[in-house]
Amino acid sequence: EVELVASGGGLVQPGGSLRLSCAASGFSFSSYAMMWVRQAPGKGLEWVSGISGVGDGTYYADSVKGRFTVSRDNSQNTLYLQLNSLSAEDTAVYYCAKFGMLRGVHYYYYMDVWGEGTMVSVSS
Amino acid sequence: EIVLTQSPATLSLSPGERATLSCRASHSVGTYLAWYQQKPGQAPRLLIYDASVRSTGIPARFSGSGSGTDFTLTISSLEPEDFAVYYCQQRNNWPGLTFGGGTKVEIK
Repeated sequence: EVELVASGGGLVQPGGSLRLSCAASGFSFSSYAMMWVRQAPGKGLEWVSGISGVGDGTYYADSVKGRFTVSRDNSQNTLYLQLNSLSAEDTAVYYCAKFGMLRGVHYYYYMDVWGEGTMVSVSS
Repeated sequence: EIVLTQSPATLSLSPGERATLSCRASHSVGTYLAWYQQKPGQAPRLLIYDASVRSTGIPARFSGSGSGTDFTLTISSLEPEDFAVYYCQQRNNWPGLTFGGGTKVEIK
């Protein structure tokens, strides 16, 4: 079964840091790009960051560029998101998602598998 | 940045009725558009990709259409489990993904 399990969220003070993890299983992890998407309480979805399958390409939303760092350890089938200089605006549930599906001989680049999310709360 | 505008914000319908949700893009996204369903306390679920292709296991009552800047998600006959929030998302200008603001389908 294909599964993503996110962890590492919690309560942190403004200006603080946190490292999120996303453990993958049931698929060839290194073959797929991975994404982080967040959702503030009562709000919509916001793409945060993405990383290529081998980790040589990283991408960020303007709202987090310079503060967040995405990485992956393909030997451990794990995705990470380092969150620095946190503010109240970063309070959200953070989801990891697999980016890409193989259908026949074609890849389609959408988020087809999502983890259940981990909550990050930034407050003093 | 491509902005996606979903309408209406809320759709109040009864089970068995037809639901029509709209997503409009500020610039053409071709057919690089997906629809997701999200229920309270759950992660989003991919329903439709490439504007009109149903994802694995998605019932035939869900259909997507459109290209360029105007897209529609149709639920032909609402089942009780379909009451949820629906988001469109484009990937035409990758790197960078954007979501619409969502449409809540609620029980009338």
